[in-house]
Amino acid sequence: KAGVTQTPRYLIKTRGQQVTLSCSPISGHRSVSWYQQTPGQGLQFLFEYFSETQRNKGNFPGRFSGRQFSNSRSEMNVSTLELGDSALYLCASSLATGFNTGELFFGEGSRLTVL
Amino acid sequence: GQQLNQSPQSMFIQEGEDVSMNCTSSSIFNTWLWYKQDPGEGPVLLIALYKAGELTSNGRLTAQFGITRKDSFLNISASIPSDVGIYFCAGQRNDMRFGAGTRLTVKP
Repeated sequence: KAGVTQTPRYLIKTRGQQVTLSCSPISGHRSVSWYQQTPGQGLQFLFEYFSETQRNKGNFPGRFSGRQFSNSRSEMNVSTLELGDSALYLCASSLATGFNTGELFFGEGSRLTVL
Repeated sequence: GQQLNQSPQSMFIQEGEDVSMNCTSSSIFNTWLWYKQDPGEGPVLLIALYKAGELTSNGRLTAQFGITRKDSFLNISASIPSDVGIYFCAGQRNDMRFGAGTRLTVKP
């Protein structure tokens, strides 16, 4: 059974640009959540989607957005990039139907560097 | 920032030694999970605990869900070089919160 797949693995952008990251969950998993990981702040919750609906959102500015498609694949977008957005962005999928409950299975992450 | 207090922040041990790390919180959780993350990779689930007092093993790893539901510990016995990495605890109730991680270094 394939794991969580994130693309791209690495990308470099400049300030002011925007970026879209993609996540394909484990087959059968309908919950997809996104996390930002930085050395200083650790793992921080961005948002979670279930059945194409955003169920909860973390404390990030509106420049961070996401969506989920009918096949459970998810994308997140960051607009007007800032230097501080450089981080590893992790996607996790879960079988659970309750918000952010159940075991999370993480992808390998997309490492974004903003210059 | 982090919402779980995970300690120690880092550990340097000799191969063969046992390791213990823990997480505490002022909040009650329904589930505790322990993850390991290797450099450049996503966290991998090691152990999940669903009941207060539960003690679960996965090979050389043992974890317990504290009776108060506010803490959990992870033990690694007879460490080996491939145990190197960052270990995260996660507590789950209405959302998932992560500890800051314990960076483990194993000297051969």
